[in-house]
Amino acid sequence: GAVVSQHPSWVICKSGTSVKIECRSLDFQATTMFWYRQFPKQSLMLMATSNEGSKATYEQGVEKDKFLINHASLTLSTLTVTSAHPEDSSFYICSASLRTTYEQYFGPGTRLTVT
Amino acid sequence: KQEVTQIPAALSVPEGENLVLNCSFTDSAIYNLQWFRQDPGKGLTSLLLIQSSQREQTSGRLNASLDKSSGRSTLYIAASQPGDSATYLCAVLTGGFKTIFGAGTRLFVKA
Repeated sequence: GAVVSQHPSWVICKSGTSVKIECRSLDFQATTMFWYRQFPKQSLMLMATSNEGSKATYEQGVEKDKFLINHASLTLSTLTVTSAHPEDSSFYICSASLRTTYEQYFGPGTRLTVT
Repeated sequence: KQEVTQIPAALSVPEGENLVLNCSFTDSAIYNLQWFRQDPGKGLTSLLLIQSSQREQTSGRLNASLDKSSGRSTLYIAASQPGDSATYLCAVLTGGFKTIFGAGTRLFVKA
């Protein structure tokens, strides 16, 4: 149980285009989902916290207009990277939190490459 | 501001050895602490979750302890195997419901 999926797992896009990444909790309802990015050989950095039905809370230094987060249901959150640039190339990972234990279950990640 | 530190940054051991990975955090006001495993280019796999009220958790050859007052956790791996080679991350869930990760320990188990 407690499986989180991400789609796509890998995407290449051209500079200036937008990319949407989906995060789904497959067998549980997640009131809170988190989005992280990870640069090579570095740890995960929290980008934003997403609560179902409300606006996401962004970490300091993360541009909310560039990284659009939508959490329309208890099982789906999306991250849209708008006007992507090569420096946005990274590994993006989402997690979903169980309401009862606050344990986080992580998706497999999405590798974004902007050319 | 919560900071999470993991020591050592890298570790290489022969197969069969028991080993300990260390994690320390600066603010003891946490909800829980999780240990994860990450293989190269992959996502995270949760290994153990310790709630703030607990002292330890065990799963197979893994044992994690938590001393909240001193801001420390250890992950003990018994009888290490080459398949254990990965990066191990610890993360704390803070009072503000944010998860802060350590930089990880890269483990290599030699056959």
